[in-house]
Amino acid sequence: GENVEQHPSTLSVQEGDSAVIKCTYSDSASNYFPWYKQELGKGPQLIIDIRSNVGEKKDQRIAVTLNKTAKHFSLHITETQPEDSAVYFCAASKGSGGYQKVTFGIGTKLQVIP
Amino acid sequence: DARVTQTPRHKVTEMGQEVTMRCQPILGHNTVFWYRQTMMQGLELLAYFRNRAPLDDSGMPKDRFSAEMPDATLATLKIQPSEPRDSAVYFCASGFEVNTEAFFGQGTRLTVV
Repeated sequence: GENVEQHPSTLSVQEGDSAVIKCTYSDSASNYFPWYKQELGKGPQLIIDIRSNVGEKKDQRIAVTLNKTAKHFSLHITETQPEDSAVYFCAASKGSGGYQKVTFGIGTKLQVIP
Repeated sequence: DARVTQTPRHKVTEMGQEVTMRCQPILGHNTVFWYRQTMMQGLELLAYFRNRAPLDDSGMPKDRFSAEMPDATLATLKIQPSEPRDSAVYFCASGFEVNTEAFFGQGTRLTVV
């Protein structure tokens, strides 16, 4: 089955600095890679996603890159703010013909220090 | 605004008791997921439904867990009998078709004593 490794497990940055979280996956058939943000006491919420036919995607201060050959993808947050503090999860999904298999990374706890 | 609704939000029960968690997916969504979240294992997929049909429950302990969708507005996850190791936060999520955003509910925090 799919194996998703995520690192670092914890990350502290100063407000205004950039944060990078990296994930690797094992199943070359995975074709959809979402990133979720989970705040304390809440369910995860999608912040950005990328599909296997795209190498990079950006949405304001958030960007995701995908290297299919190396089977790794990364989340980049620029100009971090205290409200970015949360746990971030990467996921790899294999979906076709109505069937979907989603595997999550273990999560990264990001702390932005004011 | 549209959201996934889970009940109850918190549940404390004694070992051996039956636990039922409920989820109302977003209207119009045709995929439903049940996840279990623990510190040690992270988010684990327990069950996946599409158009109310169970397509994947390989992550679910079959002897004590069961998941159903009696209709398009209700998904249930039952544990019978419950054990202390079942203590976790259980999330339901729904989506529109495969490989699209999954919308998570607030979760049910289960404590089995």
